[in-house]
Amino acid sequence: DADVTQTPRNRITKTGKRIMLECSQTKGHDRMYWYRQDPGLGLRLIYYSFDVKDINKGEISDGYSVSRQAQAKFSLSLESAIPNQTALYFCATSDTSGVAGELFFGEGSRLTVL
Amino acid sequence: SQKIEQNSEALNIQEGKTATLTCNYTNYSPAYLQWYRQDPGRGPVFLLLIRENEKEKRKERLKVTFDTTLKQSLFHITASQPADSATYLCALALNSGYALNFGKGTSLLVTP
Repeated sequence: DADVTQTPRNRITKTGKRIMLECSQTKGHDRMYWYRQDPGLGLRLIYYSFDVKDINKGEISDGYSVSRQAQAKFSLSLESAIPNQTALYFCATSDTSGVAGELFFGEGSRLTVL
Repeated sequence: SQKIEQNSEALNIQEGKTATLTCNYTNYSPAYLQWYRQDPGRGPVFLLLIRENEKEKRKERLKVTFDTTLKQSLFHITASQPADSATYLCALALNSGYALNFGKGTSLLVTP
């Protein structure tokens, strides 16, 4: 089983619908992140959480919200989806035990908003 | 504003040659810089980290340099193989208290 699991892997929805993308991890890491990736724009940070009680906005948080339900779970919500939120979304985790902070990514959730 | 720039054009090289990818940044004083590999439709995978006080780091056929004066990192793959074909991303963080920000990546194609 993957260390960082994202569900769903693919989702097609309509404008105005509420969507939740879920991420769970078995690595025991404190830090979790949501990025989105668009062709030509690279990976952009949406939200991140350094522990269960900590939530921080990234560079493109508008239109998104998150919930850190437990150390192992971090979900991303689109309250009212719009077409320009069509993208590949990645969840990632990192450890605080060292300085490195290397990220471990899930396999991605491809979201299409019609 | 802070920027991380990587060559947007794909890099095509012949098998066995050395591939060199560039990462330039502005308005950053990063504590460290990381390189990731991403295959189509997959999540990025960590390759190497280099700290601000390190000039060079090696791992097998990979070598990374970090010049904080030029604000540039170079990523080298020696004796390149077709299996090295992928997109390579650089990422920076100010320190361990900040999340990583990524460049847009450079696509590498190694042909036999």
